[in-house]
Parts: sequence; C-alpha cells; structure tokens
Amino acid sequence: EDQVTQSPEALRLQEGESSSLNCSYTVSGLRGLFWYRQDPGKGPEFLFTLYSAGEEKEKERLKATLTKKESFLHITAPKPEDSATYLCAVRGATNKLIFGTGTLLAVQP
Amino acid sequence: DAGVIQSPRHEVTEMGQEVTLRCKPISGHNSLFWYRQTMMRGLELLIYFNNNVPIDDSGMPEDRFSAKMPNASFSTLKIQPSEPRDSAVYFCASSFRALFGEKGNEQFFGPGTRLTVL
Repeated sequence: EDQVTQSPEALRLQEGESSSLNCSYTVSGLRGLFWYRQDPGKGPEFLFTLYSAGEEKEKERLKATLTKKESFLHITAPKPEDSATYLCAVRGATNKLIFGTGTLLAVQP
Repeated sequence: DAGVIQSPRHEVTEMGQEVTLRCKPISGHNSLFWYRQTMMRGLELLIYFNNNVPIDDSGMPEDRFSAKMPNASFSTLKIQPSEPRDSAVYFCASSFRALFGEKGNEQFFGPGTRLTVL
C-alpha cells in the first residue's frame, strides 16, 4: 500500500533560521513526488514535482530533494510569510495522489 | 487565468438534508479530482474523472455520496442524506494528463467548500 509520512508534525523557527522538512514514502513505481503549500482557509498550492532520485528543484527560499525513500524540503533563511502547512504527496502506479498529513511551519519575526 | 472554481464556499445544513457541491476545473484540463480534508484523516481522495469518465471511486465513503461530470467544465459532488460526520472541507482539483509520458499531471486545487452538518 502506498504511504507517505511527514515529519515533524509542527515546526517553529525564528526568521532566518534554516531547517528541513521530511517526507518518507513507500510506493509501487514512483511516478512523481509532489510538494504543496497550504495556507489557512485555502486550497493546497502546487510547489514542486520530483521524479527520480537525485533530482532537486528550487523556488525562492525553498529547495526540494529526492532519494529513493524520502524527500526533503529545505527552507533557507525563512521569513514569516513562509508560515504555512507543507504537504507531500506521491503518485504511484495509479493516477492518484497519496498525501501525507503535513508539517505546520511557523516562522516568527 | 481563472483557477479551479468551487461553490459554495461555505455550507451549513441539517442532518438528513441533501448537499450539492460544485466545481469548474481549469479550462483545458482533462482530469478532475474530489478530495475531503479533516483534521483526523488529512486529505483523502474521494473520486477522480478522466475525460469526464469516473475512473476510481474507491474513496467514496458510502452510497450517500455521488459525483457526476456531465461535461469538461463542470462537476458535482452530492451527499444525500447528509450526516454530521460528513463535516469537512471538500476540495476539487484538476490536472492535464498527457496521452503519453509520465511527467506533468500536477494537480491544481480550488479554494474548497467548508461543509458543516448539524
């Protein structure tokens, strides 16, 4: 059964304090690992797709990396506006996305 | 460009009533997904359509739930009769699935409908 586990459940950082979020997965035939950002009261917003181990993608202060068992979302010098819930999802042999429960990030000024 | 549009944004109803949620996907997308999000279970896929045809409805919790996609620009999710445990945020998402190749397929989500069943 395809499964996604995210850690930590919640993370509090000071502005400028870099850190990483983890997404561990098991999937039959990975066809994409997806990162989304979700703000309160809104739908998930697409950030990145990674397809193979070793792949990396960057967007502003965010960088996503992928291995055969996990993905990391690195946040460099975060700002308060980076506060949100970050969701990880995998797509396997089906066309369905299996989501983790997310990491709630709070960046304090 | 308009994203995925959902209506209503909020719905409060009483147990036993029929509830209909509506979704307009992004123009040109050929796959549509209905999700439910709760604190306890996170984001769960209920059903998805490809080219207006239901492909997988294994996530639909009970026969009380039904979904239709009469054309490429409109879908509904209906709950009849509604129960308090159906209270959640319901999201619609759409994507473009290419005929060949595995890449792409990023799903774009609407703002959601917050359903409260009293």
